[in-house]
Amino acid sequence: KQEVTQIPAALSVPEGENLVLNCSFTDSAIYNLQWFRQDPGKGLTSLLLIQSSQREQTSGRLNASLDKSSGRSTLYIAASQPGDSATYLCALVRGGSEKLVFGKGTKLTVNP
Amino acid sequence: DAGITQSPRHKVTETGTPVTLRCHQTENHRYMYWYRQDPGHGLRLIHYSYGVKDTDKGEVSDGYSVSRSKTEDFLLTLESATSSQTSVYFCAISELEDYGYTFGSGTRLTVV
Repeated sequence: KQEVTQIPAALSVPEGENLVLNCSFTDSAIYNLQWFRQDPGKGLTSLLLIQSSQREQTSGRLNASLDKSSGRSTLYIAASQPGDSATYLCALVRGGSEKLVFGKGTKLTVNP
Repeated sequence: DAGITQSPRHKVTETGTPVTLRCHQTENHRYMYWYRQDPGHGLRLIHYSYGVKDTDKGEVSDGYSVSRSKTEDFLLTLESATSSQTSVYFCAISELEDYGYTFGSGTRLTVV
């Protein structure tokens, strides 16, 4: 069974800091990996999608990398802002399946 | 999110009553999913559909049924609601090309 782990569960940083959120998975036979953001009481917003043949994706201040051999993905947030405060979820689709499997998320707080 | 809507947004119901949640998409995506989100458990797959009248169970399907009579609509039914089904329910869609997921805004269901 594919398991997705996100560490830490919560993170608090001062505004302006660069930070890295981690996601690890047990099965390297993945089809793609997707990072989402969830604000309190809201739905999930897709941030970045990395196909299995790719190693990274970038969008603005966000950069996500994928290393299948080590079973890891990282989400890098540059120059963090209070508006980045949210829960960040990592999820992946395993090869041969169309189902998304989620980690439990990292709750990020960026303090002004 | 654009292209996917859930109804109702909030519902309070009594134990033992049937409840139906609706997911509607305008993207013509093949795959549709129902997830529930609970503290400590994250997002878990209830049921999914890979085409009209084609559905399958996820990891927490007991007590739930689904139907998909049209490409755009995916219904989740709780035949006899229980307090353990109090949760936030999310619908999602994806397509074969990249399996990138798009989520709805969620339905908050309370069973009293």
